[in-house]
Amino acid sequence: EVQLVESGGGLVQPGGSLRLSCAASGFTFSSFWMSWVRQAPGKGLEWVANIKQDGSEKYYVDSVKGRFTISRDNAKKSLYLQMNSLRAEDTAVYYCARALDYIGYWGQGTLVTVSS
Amino acid sequence: EIVMTQSPATLSVSPGERATLSCRASQSVSSNLAWYQQKPGQAPRLLIYAASTRATGIPARFSGSGSGTEFTLTISSLQSEDFAVYYCQQYNNWPPLTFGGGTKVEIK
Repeated sequence: EVQLVESGGGLVQPGGSLRLSCAASGFTFSSFWMSWVRQAPGKGLEWVANIKQDGSEKYYVDSVKGRFTISRDNAKKSLYLQMNSLRAEDTAVYYCARALDYIGYWGQGTLVTVSS
Repeated sequence: EIVMTQSPATLSVSPGERATLSCRASQSVSSNLAWYQQKPGQAPRLLIYAASTRATGIPARFSGSGSGTEFTLTISSLQSEDFAVYYCQQYNNWPPLTFGGGTKVEIK
């Protein structure tokens, strides 16, 4: 059974940093593109970033370019999202997803709140 | 960036009735379109990909159609568990992958 379990969310002040993690199991992690998708409270879904199987390609939505970094450790079957210079508008539930294009598997999400 | 527009924002339907949800792309996405269902407090669930292919385990009452810029998700006979928010998503031209704003299907 495919499982994606996020961790690392919490309350952070504007301008602060946070690192999200996603532990994957039930599939060959190193064979799949992975993504982060977020959802602000009461709002719709927004794709944030994705990363190729070997980490050689990474793509980001414009609003996080230069502030967020997606990475992965295939040996640990883990996906990460380093978030710097956080803003109030980054407040959202962040989902880890197994996806290059459409998203067949989602984690349960971790809440990031940016507030003073 | 391809903008996805869903209509209506809210759809009020009685159990057992048919629901028709629309999704429009700002430019052609071919058949590279997916539909998701999301219930409160849960992650989204993939319903349809490639515009009309049901994902594993999705009941036959869910069907997708369309290509290019106009797409439709039809729920043939609404069950109580189908009341939720539905999102479309294009994956033809990325980055970025883009989602529609969602349609909430509520009980009439």
